[in-house]
Amino acid sequence: SAVISQKPSRDICQRGTSLTIQCQVDSQVTMMFWYRQQPGQSLTLIATANQGSEATYESGFVIDKFPISRPNLTFSTLTVSNMSPEDSSIYLCISSQGNEQFFGPGTRLTVL
Amino acid sequence: GEDVEQSLFLSVREGDSSVINCTYTDSSSTYLYWYKQEPGAGLQLLTYIFSNMDMKQDQRLTVLLNKKDKHLSLRIADTQTGDSAIYFCAESKTGTASKLTFGTGTRLQVTL
Repeated sequence: SAVISQKPSRDICQRGTSLTIQCQVDSQVTMMFWYRQQPGQSLTLIATANQGSEATYESGFVIDKFPISRPNLTFSTLTVSNMSPEDSSIYLCISSQGNEQFFGPGTRLTVL
Repeated sequence: GEDVEQSLFLSVREGDSSVINCTYTDSSSTYLYWYKQEPGAGLQLLTYIFSNMDMKQDQRLTVLLNKKDKHLSLRIADTQTGDSAIYFCAESKTGTASKLTFGTGTRLQVTL
């Protein structure tokens, strides 16, 4: 199995600023995904982080708002840009290897 | 696109059985999962079932899959107060390095 850590665990930010969230896996994994869970909602996939190439975004999410990096098989970042209160959410990194998924602890973001 | 639906709320008495239902639309779903989310916590994988199975039992948990009707259920026997949480079903198209589509979540309330 893989263990995932995320930084920061939580943050409170002002509108208009940007926050970069880091996801570190303790072993090489094939796939890394970024999800969002808005208050009282289910998890929604933002994008698939591709190693060495641009991320694949889901409908409704764009690179300018959520730039993603994945420089290697164990690390990825998600930036939430030009934040507004609607971006207040838990951001979750999930990795996949074989038929197993591994969940990060999430980053709880509050935008004022 | 994929759609995974659940009823929003279920209330049961302690000691009774709980049945949480989930319907999905994508017939190519290969793995179907049940996750538990306690208040303020991350998602915990409870169990999963491969699409060529129709039942899986794990201690107090029984998963039933009706592939024809695209219906998945999670039965919790002898429900305890510690089972109070939100339960998410999820599906993936392949079990290997694939992204998850989550259901809307069912809040289970266990009363004394």
